[in-house]
Amino acid sequence: RKEVEQDPGPFNVPEGATVAFNCTYSNSASQSFFWYRQDCRKEPKLLMSVYSSGNEDGRFTAQLNRASQYISLLIRDSKLSDSATYLCVVTHFNQAGTALIFGKGTTLSVSS
Amino acid sequence: DTGVSQNPRHKITKRGQNVTFRCDPISEHNRLYWYRQTLGQGPEFLTYFQNEAQLEKSRLLSDRFSAERPKGSFSTLEIQRTEQGDSAMYLCASSSTEGPSAYNSPLHFGNGTRLTVT
Repeated sequence: RKEVEQDPGPFNVPEGATVAFNCTYSNSASQSFFWYRQDCRKEPKLLMSVYSSGNEDGRFTAQLNRASQYISLLIRDSKLSDSATYLCVVTHFNQAGTALIFGKGTTLSVSS
Repeated sequence: DTGVSQNPRHKITKRGQNVTFRCDPISEHNRLYWYRQTLGQGPEFLTYFQNEAQLEKSRLLSDRFSAERPKGSFSTLEIQRTEQGDSAMYLCASSSTEGPSAYNSPLHFGNGTRLTVT
């Protein structure tokens, strides 16, 4: 089982739609979680951190369920500019320190 | 621009040649990461440094790959005897462990070096 797994996608939605992405992780000791956004041929950029209580940033809401080892990202009122690949990221701790493990990403295409 | 800088942006090389990439992190960041990304995949972790110490290496990193960060600032990633399967985007990122949110410190990525092995 991969450490971080995401919905395969692609998601094709019209403007204004609400879309949700899911992500599961295998290491129960993981402590920090993030969603990154990657535009075509660009580097990944942090979209938002994911906190245990859930958090919202404008149209974006992130949720964490530690018991199920599951993270979600909800995008409301989709815009054309939301078209990108969304990467789920989980921190992996071991005796050596910390590494951040990325999922494969889910591609979102918002059309007018 | 005080972001993460990588060079070269593109590298085309023939199979069997050695290549070296450089990454200059954000100056106050003590952690530096190398990732590899191929089309349709997320970034795959290769290795990371805290200051000059290389703390973890992925099993993906074969003996042909070596990374250094001699003074805890810039880093180099060398690939010896390149193979066509090494063709990918090589991404460098940095972060800081200082401050109250050390474990939630986000990665700041460079633009990457795109390697093509012919």
